[in-house]
Amino acid sequence: EVQLLESGGDLVQPGGSLRLSCAASGFSFGTYSMNWVRQVPGKGLDWVSGASGSGGSINYADSVKGRFTMSRDNSKNTVYLQMNSLRAEDTAVYHCAKGVDFFVGSTFDYWGQGVLVTVSS
Amino acid sequence: QSALTQPASVSGSPGQSITISCTGTNNDVGNYNYVSWHQQHSGQAPKLMIYEVSNRPSGVSNRFSGSKSGNTASLTISGLQTEDEADYYCSSYTGNNIRIFGGGTKLTVL
Repeated sequence: EVQLLESGGDLVQPGGSLRLSCAASGFSFGTYSMNWVRQVPGKGLDWVSGASGSGGSINYADSVKGRFTMSRDNSKNTVYLQMNSLRAEDTAVYHCAKGVDFFVGSTFDYWGQGVLVTVSS
Repeated sequence: QSALTQPASVSGSPGQSITISCTGTNNDVGNYNYVSWHQQHSGQAPKLMIYEVSNRPSGVSNRFSGSKSGNTASLTISGLQTEDEADYYCSSYTGNNIRIFGGGTKLTVL
């Protein structure tokens, strides 16, 4: 059974930093891309970042480029999202989502429940 | 990276069919057969219902079907059931390893 468990969500001040983690199990981790998708409560889905199965290709939405850094450790079956220079508009539930194949840009077949990141003073 | 356009809401009665549209551009929906649809019930994680325009993952009811014409993709749900009431999101590959979503459509089963 595929499981994705996010952690690291918190309340942080504007300009602050936070690191999210997503521990995966139940599939051959390095074979699939992984993604972060966020959702403002009551609003729609917003793709944030994706990493290929090897981690050799990582891409970002324009809204977070230069502030967020995604990485993955295939030895630990874990992906990370380092979020710096956080803004109020980054407040959202952040979901980890597994890609359907190796490549970034493929759709997502399993999702974690998500963690809440609140950016507020 | 503009969002795809979906109607804010659709509704139907049990047993009826409904269709949700997803309009993009020739840079995304119109240029790639990599459109997918996700269902999200309130308080739950999204669930993949359709991928690559018209393919259903294992376990998804054949009441759900997808299609595409030009820059517009569509999700059709036939034989509506009360448990189909949820939010539905389309997404598309846009090239350059980027994926975008639609704004979501709230389906109400009357």
